[in-house]
Amino acid sequence: DTGVSQDPRHKITKRGQNVTFRCDPISEHNRLYWYRQTLGQGPEFLTYFQNEAQLEKSRLLSDRFSAERPKGSFSTLEIQRTEQGDSAMYLCASSRDRAEAFFGQGTRLTVV
Amino acid sequence: AQSVTQLDSQVPVFEEAPVELRCNYSSSVSVYLFWYVQYPNQGLQLLLKYLSGSTLVKGINGFEAEFNKSQTSFHLRKPSVHISDTAEYFCAVSDLGGNNRKLIWGLGTSLAVNP
Repeated sequence: DTGVSQDPRHKITKRGQNVTFRCDPISEHNRLYWYRQTLGQGPEFLTYFQNEAQLEKSRLLSDRFSAERPKGSFSTLEIQRTEQGDSAMYLCASSRDRAEAFFGQGTRLTVV
Repeated sequence: AQSVTQLDSQVPVFEEAPVELRCNYSSSVSVYLFWYVQYPNQGLQLLLKYLSGSTLVKGINGFEAEFNKSQTSFHLRKPSVHISDTAEYFCAVSDLGGNNRKLIWGLGTSLAVNP
């Protein structure tokens, strides 16, 4: 068990470009969460998967954001037409049933 | 809807002194309560959690927290801090009856332990 893995750790992109992040949860964890954390703030919930089904999306997740979890294993979070306001740390977490969530190291996105 | 208030944004303390980081929550339903720690440029690590049972919860690294239902508080304490405890600490809640278990977070408390 290697924990939750996120890739890349850092991403710098130009405004208007598309970016995609990957999260590999702890194996056999059926629940997967994406959160966003901006500087000086606590994390904010973005979306939640149970197995491959996306069961909840925050209104923070505009139509430029899309998340998938094919086959209920790894997940991807894509941001289209990035804006400077998208600069943040994107955190992925996984859990088994209703146990506590384990977090990855995060992907820090900087939009210039 | 739930909300979490961490009453101190920054807490400076000397090494080996005791510390308390305060957390209050608001919820119309019963909740689970958590404290997480975040070191610079790292993800979040669970310190401790309250799900049910004893209101005094012990966690890793010598931390403990006490759930007070009447005051809707879940303050984090450590009797003697180390330099290595310098980090950002987050209090979070999740809906006891909900299925998604998403976490609602406070803004964090920055603990700075000075020699």
